[in-house]
Amino acid sequence: GAVVSQHPSRVICKSGTSVKIECRSLDFQATTMFWYRQFPKQSLMLMATSNEGSKATYEQGVEKDKFLINHASLTLSTLTVTSAHPEDSSFYICSARGTGGFTGELFFGEGSRLTVL
Amino acid sequence: AQSVAQPEDQVNVAEGNPLTVKCTYSVSGNPYLFWYVQYPNRGLQFLLKYITGDNLVKGSYGFEAEFNKSQTSFHLKKPSALVSDSALYFCAVRDKAGGFKTIFGAGTRLFVKA
Repeated sequence: GAVVSQHPSRVICKSGTSVKIECRSLDFQATTMFWYRQFPKQSLMLMATSNEGSKATYEQGVEKDKFLINHASLTLSTLTVTSAHPEDSSFYICSARGTGGFTGELFFGEGSRLTVL
Repeated sequence: AQSVAQPEDQVNVAEGNPLTVKCTYSVSGNPYLFWYVQYPNRGLQFLLKYITGDNLVKGSYGFEAEFNKSQTSFHLKKPSALVSDSALYFCAVRDKAGGFKTIFGAGTRLFVKA
């Protein structure tokens, strides 16, 4: 199957700083990538849909100025958590849809655990 | 609006016994249904999907799932559980009316005892 790489896997930062998480599709081109947030013992919450070459589409309640998404190429999307606060601590997971289009399964990165002190 | 329900937070089963993880869904159109598995501190891995055709779909690691339109269910099954199957399982649904966004259930934690 397709491989999605996410980096870093763990990051600890101080409150008020910004953190960038990268999501790469290694062996396929992903025009669309998705960013999810997962709270402990809870399901995945879709934060935004990242489209190559255009602005991301954010879900209701997600602050677009706080969670900046850039999808500058067909293989890379980045999520930047700006002015991070302890409540932003979470597990962030990216995914990309494979070649199956709307019927295709999602391929997930390994996730990034963010801890804001 | 689409929704997915996984009624069990946790399922316990003895190794070698059959397992079932339940999932029901609600969509306005034809559903595309998926099962994913997540191991601790990892991303999700795809197990199987139903798009159209045969109601019984087979997937990775010996798992299978049966699409039941009348009961709007898509339960995950395996004839003989392994300890290594212990993980968090997510059911997911997508449909055209929902813009093909993938919506996940709350997850079911499976414990397989040796």
